[in-house]
Amino acid sequence: QQQVKQSPQSLIVQKGGISIINCAYENTAFDYFPWYQQFPGKGPALLIAIRPDVSEKKEGRFTISFNKSAKQFSLHIMDSQPGDSATYFCAASRTTSGGSYIPTFGRGTSLIVHP
Amino acid sequence: DAGITQSPRYKITETGRQVTLMCHQTWSHSYMFWYRQDLGHGLRLIYYSAAADITDKGEVPDGYVVSRSKTENFPLTLESATRSQTSVYFCASSVKVSTDTQYFGPGTRLTVL
Repeated sequence: QQQVKQSPQSLIVQKGGISIINCAYENTAFDYFPWYQQFPGKGPALLIAIRPDVSEKKEGRFTISFNKSAKQFSLHIMDSQPGDSATYFCAASRTTSGGSYIPTFGRGTSLIVHP
Repeated sequence: DAGITQSPRYKITETGRQVTLMCHQTWSHSYMFWYRQDLGHGLRLIYYSAAADITDKGEVPDGYVVSRSKTENFPLTLESATRSQTSVYFCASSVKVSTDTQYFGPGTRLTVL
């Protein structure tokens, strides 16, 4: 059972273009939606995150758009650069009865930005 | 500041052997996690720990054992390695809050022949 569905699996854009990665979730109890960026040979690192009480969050060239009613959220990378080439993971988490943070990750999107 | 480290970084073993992957964090984070990353499957949670001596299963725990006698260490043991356990393993940690950043280690690439 895949609780967070991520698409596309791979994405190729030209330098300066917009990269868009989409995620959909099923569990309405999720209350935190981070995106992680992973460069080859490295561990993932938090890029940007959003809570469901806002519809958009922007940090530099990276924007998360959140649609609570559709249970979807997306990552937009404006003015994409070759240095943005990486694998991107969306995730969703909820608070268990014990208060722990149990994330569910999407399967990842491999982004390649051509110069 | 070392942060979170994993050892070894690369490991080749044979089917049936026991293998232990080490994870150490210097932040005193309460929560620690083990994931495996496979092409097409993304990151899948194996086990996690909320504190020393408290562990719980994740999505794919079969064939793995964990322990956490000290807050800073969270070793993952493959009791009898199988080829299907060939993967890249990531350890992560986070502070004890419900929506907190996970900090990942550099990963261990394990090959089971």
